[in-house]
Amino acid sequence: EVQLVESGGGLVQPGGSLRLSCAASGFTFNNHAMTWVRQAPGKGLEWVSGISSSAGHTYEADSVKGRFTISRDNSKDTLYLQMNSLRAEDTAVYYCAKDNGGSGDWYFDLWGRGTLVTVSS
Amino acid sequence: SYELTQPLSVSVALGQTARITCGGNDIVTKNVHWYQQKPGQAPVVVIYRDDNRPSGIPERFSGSNSGNTATLTISRAQAGDEAVYYCQVWDTIVVFGGGTELTVL
Repeated sequence: EVQLVESGGGLVQPGGSLRLSCAASGFTFNNHAMTWVRQAPGKGLEWVSGISSSAGHTYEADSVKGRFTISRDNSKDTLYLQMNSLRAEDTAVYYCAKDNGGSGDWYFDLWGRGTLVTVSS
Repeated sequence: SYELTQPLSVSVALGQTARITCGGNDIVTKNVHWYQQKPGQAPVVVIYRDDNRPSGIPERFSGSNSGNTATLTISRAQAGDEAVYYCQVWDTIVVFGGGTELTVL
């Protein structure tokens, strides 16, 4: 089955860290760029970070630059998001998504169900 | 940074045509993608590269892009089309519009 399954979300205190994972199946993972998109409660979609198929290029939104790191293990068909120095405003559902657009034209044709990250004391 | 502007809400009568706009500076030079998100669900792409429909998306969904505005058109609107719709482009990073809530009356 073609799917993405996120894990690793939970409750964390401000300033803490969390590592999200996204397990891919049903498609050739190392052929596609991947991305993380988040959605704060009752808000719109916010792109967080992306990584090229070979992991040679990574991209981050200004809001997470220097705090979040995206990575992937193509041998395990898994995408990661290391989140450090977490803030209350990072509270959101985090989705991983598969790019189908290719270089310079990313769009996402497969999404996971999301994992909730709550930053609160 | 590049910005995309969408109306907060659009209403359409059942069976009529809904048009959701996405404004951006010279957006015609970019490929615009559209997503539908229903409550409690992940987004689903309904239009990619301005006017292409993925398999499984009804022909009632179409897209266009001209000048500074891209448009998602939903013909013969159904109750099941009620959702929030987001436009998205690539501009050295991924950019989403703020989303438009579609109500079918």
